[in-house]
Order: sequence, then structure tokens, then C-alpha cells
Amino acid sequence: KAGVTQTPRYLIKTRGQQVTLSCSPISGHRSVSWYQQTPGQGLQFLFEYFSETQRNKGNFPGRFSGRQFSNSRSEMNVSTLELGDSALYLCASSLDLSYEQYFGPGTRLTVT
Amino acid sequence: AQSVTQLDSQVPVFEEAPVELRCNYSSSVSVYLFWYVQYPNQGLQLLLKYLSGSTLVKGINGFEAEFNKSQTSFHLRKPSVHISDTAEYFCAVSQNTGGFKTIFGAGTRLFVKA
Repeated sequence: KAGVTQTPRYLIKTRGQQVTLSCSPISGHRSVSWYQQTPGQGLQFLFEYFSETQRNKGNFPGRFSGRQFSNSRSEMNVSTLELGDSALYLCASSLDLSYEQYFGPGTRLTVT
Repeated sequence: AQSVTQLDSQVPVFEEAPVELRCNYSSSVSVYLFWYVQYPNQGLQLLLKYLSGSTLVKGINGFEAEFNKSQTSFHLRKPSVHISDTAEYFCAVSQNTGGFKTIFGAGTRLFVKA
């Protein structure tokens, strides 16, 4: 069974630009969560989607948004990038109600 | 609101020695508890989980953890560590709010020395 895949793995953007990150969950998993990981703040929850609906959201500004498609693939978008958005963005998928999450390798975003 | 505290940011230990990584949580409702491991430049991998039942949970790579409800703790232990166990370990708490909202601890860097 293929694991969670994230594309791209590395990304360099400049301030003010926007970026879209993609996540393909494990086949059959309908829940997809996104996290931001930085050395200073650790792992912070961004949002969780299930069957194309956002069920939970963390404490991030509206510049951070996401969506989930009917095949459970998910994208997250960050608009008007700031230097502080530089981070490893992790996607995790799970079967609903199992609470066990499977993580992708992450997308490392660098904002210059 | 739920929170997770990992009491040690770094734990150096010699190879073949036992290790305990400490985790305390706070929550007003029943929770589910997890330990994840992250190797350099990789995502997180589940080590073990507590959902219900026996409070002693065994995971992969010889790790185990004990859920202590009265002390709201979920410490991770391994009787004999290997060099390959050097990694970052994260304790996480999740509760049923109609969906996922998992909160992670700040992480403990385990460094195994030869």
C-alpha cells in the first residue's frame, strides 16, 4: 500500500507570493490533516478535512486555506507569503475515527 | 483546552542503557494518546497509541508506554536503546470533537551515544 505523498518536496518562494502544496492520502483514508513544523513553534495543527469538509481548524490567519477533493486528495494554499511561513508542512491521513495518523515526508517551504 | 508537555527537550543516553521520555497532558475530556518518532528529513512515524483498555501499550522497535490517568501522563520507555533510536520523539493528544484536532508536544530529542 502506497504511503502518504506530498508534492513538491522542496519549494522556494519570495515574500508576497502564494503557494499551493499537495497531499495524496493513503488509499481508503478520508481524513487529511495539515501541520506546520518549525524549530521555534514545533508542530502546529492547521486544519483537518474529511469528505471534502473542513472539520477542524487551528489558530492560523486566513492566509492559510485548504481544500479536499472527492478522491480525498488535499491541497493547502498560503497567500501573501511572509518570512515566518518558512517551515516544513506535513500532511497526515487516517481512516475516520481510528485516530492513527500516517504522515507524509513533508514539503519544506523557504520564503526569501 | 487540551495541552501536551514533554518535560525534556533533549535526552542523551548511552547505547544499551534504558530510557524514559516523559509526557504529561491536560484535557477536560477523554483523550487518545500517541507517541511518534521523526528521523531527520522525514515525516512522523507512529510508535504506539493508547485508545482504551490496558494502560501498558507496546509499540514498534521495542518501545512501550504507560497511560496513567491520575497523573495525566503517558511516558515512553525502552529497556535498551540503540544508536539507530537517535531521533525526535513527539507525544500527541487527540480528542473526539467530531473530527481530528491533534495537539503535539514540543518534542524530545533522543541522542544515543556509543
